[in-house]
Amino acid sequence: GQNIDQPTEMTATEGAIVQINCTYQTSGFNGLFWYQQHAGEAPTFLSYNVLDGLEEKGRFSSFLSRSKGYSYLLLKELQMKDSASYLCAAYLGAGSYQLTFGKGTKLSVIP
Amino acid sequence: EPEVTQTPSHQVTQMGQEVILRCVPISNHLYFYWYRQILGQKVEFLVSFYNNEISEKSEIFDDQFSVERPDGSNFTLKIRSTKLEDSAMYFCASSEGIMGGLEETQYFGPGTRLLVL
Repeated sequence: GQNIDQPTEMTATEGAIVQINCTYQTSGFNGLFWYQQHAGEAPTFLSYNVLDGLEEKGRFSSFLSRSKGYSYLLLKELQMKDSASYLCAAYLGAGSYQLTFGKGTKLSVIP
Repeated sequence: EPEVTQTPSHQVTQMGQEVILRCVPISNHLYFYWYRQILGQKVEFLVSFYNNEISEKSEIFDDQFSVERPDGSNFTLKIRSTKLEDSAMYFCASSEGIMGGLEETQYFGPGTRLLVL
């Protein structure tokens, strides 16, 4: 089976840095996506890692270690609008086109 | 910026009725998907579609579900006889390709909230 774990909730202060971790155990693996989802809205694409290492994109960075089955999303200079759920999703590849999602981490940014 | 669109935004139906959810994927994308999200739960894959046929489907996508690309722009999900447990947000997504790199990125529509009474 496919198993993707991430913390259920996190709280951080405006202006701070927060790291959201994700571990995965999947039958195949061809990349790791991070999406942001505001309540009642669609997931919106944040980042994609297929190789080990850090991908930086403005205030958001994402890291992948394939050998450890581990990724994290780093959010810097937190803003109130960053309050949302952050979804980790594995792309299995090798003939499977689906994204397998974790349950999401609900981030609350407080003043 | 191109985006996936879905209609209707909300649908209320009686148990046993048929519903059709509509999606217009991003125009140059070739791969289309349906996902659902039951309130408070994770996003779950239903089906992927390429070249006018189903590429992959999950256990959720049973005989009550079907997909179709009736013309060059629309992509539909039909539920033949809705059940209470079909109440969920249904997301359509599309991607440019599947062969590696950012072209695999799936872009999601705003969703249709389906309520079965």
